[in-house]
Amino acid sequence: NAGVTQTPKFQVLKTGQSMTLQCAQDMNHEYMSWYRQDPGMGLRLIHYSVGAGITDQGEVPNGYNVSRSTTEDFPLRLLSAAPSQTSVYFCASGKGPNQPQHFGDGTRLSIL
Amino acid sequence: GQQLNQSPQSMFIQEGEDVSMNCTSSSIFNTWLWYKQDPGEGPVLLIALYKAGELTSNGRLTAQFGITRKDSFLNISASIPSDVGIYFCAGYNNNDMRFGAGTRLTVKP
Repeated sequence: NAGVTQTPKFQVLKTGQSMTLQCAQDMNHEYMSWYRQDPGMGLRLIHYSVGAGITDQGEVPNGYNVSRSTTEDFPLRLLSAAPSQTSVYFCASGKGPNQPQHFGDGTRLSIL
Repeated sequence: GQQLNQSPQSMFIQEGEDVSMNCTSSSIFNTWLWYKQDPGEGPVLLIALYKAGELTSNGRLTAQFGITRKDSFLNISASIPSDVGIYFCAGYNNNDMRFGAGTRLTVKP
């Protein structure tokens, strides 16, 4: 039972590089979301999706893009990495936005 | 935007003691959730609350959805060493899920 799988677990980028963080879930959940976690700030919602083909912005969407072509996958793209995007990124899925969310183990991203 | 104030930021307690933490907001939430996060892992759900005034238990954990819908608390009774971790509250309203900054719990054997 894989649940929510995030790859990679760790990544170091240079300023200006782009990359995609992968997220996949095998629970047939309609709702998926991306958060970033910074020290002392809890988790902040970046983007979310209520189903395949539908995405929307969360609290801190600038500098990130998402797409949802399938129910299972919800990749997060950094278009031009900046040091302020150094953080731990969590993907989550659930039956709905107000239902308990299942989180992946996170991707630790450092931007130099 | 909706902000959650979670307190205390950290707690150092002796094994066997009871623990209480809470979250407050100036905004109303329709759902309150409590999560626990262990180092190097994602948060794991402890308790979900959907109705104002609701009191729900999960083993030694008890959480309540405040009657004003602007607050929630989590109690842990008879703490044990594996209770160590960071506890987060989360409030949901109108497609917006907000998290508190977390309470870091340390339990001394």
